[in-house]
Amino acid sequence: KNEVEQSPQNLTAQEGEFITINCSYSVGISALHWLQQHPGGGIVSLFMLSSGKKKHGRLIATINIQEKHSSLHITASHPRDSAVYICAVRGNQFYFGTGTSLTVIP
Amino acid sequence: SQTIHQWPATLVQPVGSPLSLECTVEGTSNPNLYWYRQAAGRGLQLLFYSVGIGQISSEVPQNLSASRPQDRQFILSSKKLLLSDSGFYLCAWSLKGPGEKLFFGSGTQLSVL
Repeated sequence: KNEVEQSPQNLTAQEGEFITINCSYSVGISALHWLQQHPGGGIVSLFMLSSGKKKHGRLIATINIQEKHSSLHITASHPRDSAVYICAVRGNQFYFGTGTSLTVIP
Repeated sequence: SQTIHQWPATLVQPVGSPLSLECTVEGTSNPNLYWYRQAAGRGLQLLFYSVGIGQISSEVPQNLSASRPQDRQFILSSKKLLLSDSGFYLCAWSLKGPGEKLFFGSGTQLSVL
């Protein structure tokens, strides 16, 4: 069993839709990260959070430490949001989910 | 500002040939350095990490090795590549201490034929 589970694995949305990607983890953590990987392979960090909620533009990340669950929301989705979104947690090392491939159709 | 450089971006190598992937970090000192491999449909797998010069920890027994000859240089090597070594390799760095955040290089797509 993976330490980090993400759902869904693949997601297709129409432009403008509200999107939610979920992440559950099974280890004790000091922080949870949401990463974005573009088709070229480069990965950028979107959020690092250890409690509550963070917002950056149209992106919102929440975490529930008791339930060991986090969600990444994208409001008013746009084709440029198409990417793979990866959840990662920092336990005794970094653990990564397998990613959610998001395609936003114009 | 800090930057991370990883090269080459793509590499095609025959089975049995050697490998050397290099990663350098600028704008910071004494970072933690990591090598990850990403296989299709799988999460990032930690291969090696280093907390300082000459200090390498291996997470997965395999055909690869890593070295850190300088503070901000991390090298992934193999003496003889296997087909199973094909994959996407990512170098990353982080600062030490609380609030550790990972910064990734642009990756190397390795194809072993």
